[in-house]
Amino acid sequence: DSGVTQTPKHLITATGQRVTLRCSPRSGDLSVYWYQQSLDQGLQFLIQYYNGEERAKGNILERFSAQQFPDLHSELNLSSLELGDSALYFCASSPGSSGRPSSTDTQYFGPGTRLTVL
Amino acid sequence: TQLLEQSPQFLSIQEGENLTVYCNSSSVFSSLQWYRQEPGEGPVLLVTVVTGGEVKKLKRLTFQFGDARKDSSLHITAAQTGDTGLYLCRSGNEKLTFGTGTRLTIIP
Repeated sequence: DSGVTQTPKHLITATGQRVTLRCSPRSGDLSVYWYQQSLDQGLQFLIQYYNGEERAKGNILERFSAQQFPDLHSELNLSSLELGDSALYFCASSPGSSGRPSSTDTQYFGPGTRLTVL
Repeated sequence: TQLLEQSPQFLSIQEGENLTVYCNSSSVFSSLQWYRQEPGEGPVLLVTVVTGGEVKKLKRLTFQFGDARKDSSLHITAAQTGDTGLYLCRSGNEKLTFGTGTRLTIIP
């Protein structure tokens, strides 16, 4: 158990819909990262938040957005869903003492949310 | 974009055998991490290497960082069924680029 929790575990929805994925980081971790894992694209970094502020962006679509709340939990919002958005979405957390993604930080991954868009 | 190619893509071997998987790039890494992901779970960090030529051991797993810091290898000695999983390398850049992965299956 990494200490990172994600809800829901599974989500099935239709094209055009909007969903929200939730992540609670490990106690004391200030950085939260979101990743998308699909069979054809592998594990892709989407976005990072540190102590409530966006710190780094990866391959995140404009239809996707995220935020980190004062209690440090984070939500990833996916809108106008397409079939190709079906994937595993992972959240990871780290102490993130510098606030920027560190090449040597240990990231602790949650169990993921499996999104299926029909 | 720094591309990380991992090989082989799939590997299936008998328990007790040795194996090596690779992570390669045309760019120089500032550092490199190896993760293992088991079915239904998120990746778990195995090791971080930062110095060219560095070798780190984790029980039966030996990780090597290339002298030029463009490649890395993971060698498993006497593979066990618990080693089954997806092995991912990740480069030390702000884009947090993961490799394409090696899916390893150890047959009892």
